[in-house]
Amino acid sequence: AQSVAQPEDQVNVAEGNPLTVKCTYSVSGNPYLFWYVQYPNRGLQFLLKYITGDNLVKGSYGFEAEFNKSQTSFHLKKPSALVSDSALYFCAVTISGGSYIPTFGRGTSLIVHP
Amino acid sequence: GAGVSQSPSNKVTEKGKDVELRCDPISGHTALYWYRQRLGQGLEFLIYFQGNSAPDKSGLPSDRFSAERTGESVSTLTIQRTQQEDSAVYLCASSLLGGREETQYFGPGTRLLVL
Repeated sequence: AQSVAQPEDQVNVAEGNPLTVKCTYSVSGNPYLFWYVQYPNRGLQFLLKYITGDNLVKGSYGFEAEFNKSQTSFHLKKPSALVSDSALYFCAVTISGGSYIPTFGRGTSLIVHP
Repeated sequence: GAGVSQSPSNKVTEKGKDVELRCDPISGHTALYWYRQRLGQGLEFLIYFQGNSAPDKSGLPSDRFSAERTGESVSTLTIQRTQQEDSAVYLCASSLLGGREETQYFGPGTRLLVL
């Protein structure tokens, strides 16, 4: 079984400030974790993923995420937010040896204020 | 470069009509996924095709929903006798081999409104 939670429906941050979008997961096995971003009226775009190795993963547009096995978390971070980062962010999980179908979180709306 | 394309981009239909939604995956991608995204909701898995294997239809919500894929190319999602609760954005994604660790590439979606 696999599930993913994004506890915040919306995150507000001022431009230039650091941002964090939270994701926690629950799996029976080794997780593969993904972050996707959806801009208005667009499909989802891949940001980054954790498969194995270094717990800190760097991705597109200056985003990074840290895999924390003990806390079962994979929070998305960026040191300095841009207004153009405003979008809907989705966390997703699959399991090594499990279903080929990823489970997506409900999404978090990130709003960056000028 | 050519990404995943979907058509139509928007579809308005009357309750009870049938609709067909089309997805063109990235050339060479053997895996194709359909998802439904209701307003304010996450992605709901519908169906998964991988190569010549039997599709995984476990996410289809009712027998009004069906999908086909021609080889490793175009896929069509058909909704028969549409209901108002079918109103949503239908997203298609493809990946190279359908592996659990693979990135999915999404199309822009078809926004379906059932009146």
